Amino acid sequence: EVQLVESGGGLVQPGGSLRLSCAASGFRIDSYWMNWVRQAPGKEPERVANINPDGGDKNYVDSVEGRFTISRDTAKNSLYLQMNSLRAEDTAVYYCARRNDLDVWGLGTMVAVSS
Amino acid sequence: EIVLTQSPGTLSLSPGERATLSCRASQSISSTYLTWYQQKPGQAPRRLIYAAVSRATGIPDRFSGSGSGTDFTLTISRLEPEDFAVYYCQQYVGSSMTFGQGTRLDI
Repeated sequence: EVQLVESGGGLVQPGGSLRLSCAASGFRIDSYWMNWVRQAPGKEPERVANINPDGGDKNYVDSVEGRFTISRDTAKNSLYLQMNSLRAEDTAVYYCARRNDLDVWGLGTMVAVSS
Repeated sequence: EIVLTQSPGTLSLSPGERATLSCRASQSISSTYLTWYQQKPGQAPRRLIYAAVSRATGIPDRFSGSGSGTDFTLTISRLEPEDFAVYYCQQYVGSSMTFGQGTRLDI
């Protein structure tokens, strides 16, 4: 069964860091574009970052450029999002999703940035 | 950045009725890169329609997509109780990906 499971969310103070993980099963992450998508309460989804199948092309939304880093471990079939210098406006549910037409989503992990 | 504008913001209908949801792009996009999602409270979005007109696996045939260029439509032919949710359109072109603001389909 094709599945994505996120972890690593939590409550963090402004300026803090978190590392999100996404464990994939039923397919290989290095065969697809993989995305991190976030959704703030009551808002539409927003693609935060993505990475291409060979890992050489990474894209970020302007608001996280220089603060967030997407990476992967193909041996563990897992995707990561390192989030530094977190701000209140980064508060959201973070999902990983497969392909750019987002055909498979995880259940998400909540990130709350607050003092 | 391509902006997607969905209308109406809220659509109030009854089971059995037909729903027509619109998504307009700020510039022309290839149909290949236009996708529709359904989201219910507390759940992740679910892909319904990809490449503007193709139903995703397991999606009932009462859902259909159409359109090209800047104007795209999601139609639900006969609403079932489980169809009341929020619907988003999404485009991806090159390194860009954006979503519409959503249409809430209410009973």
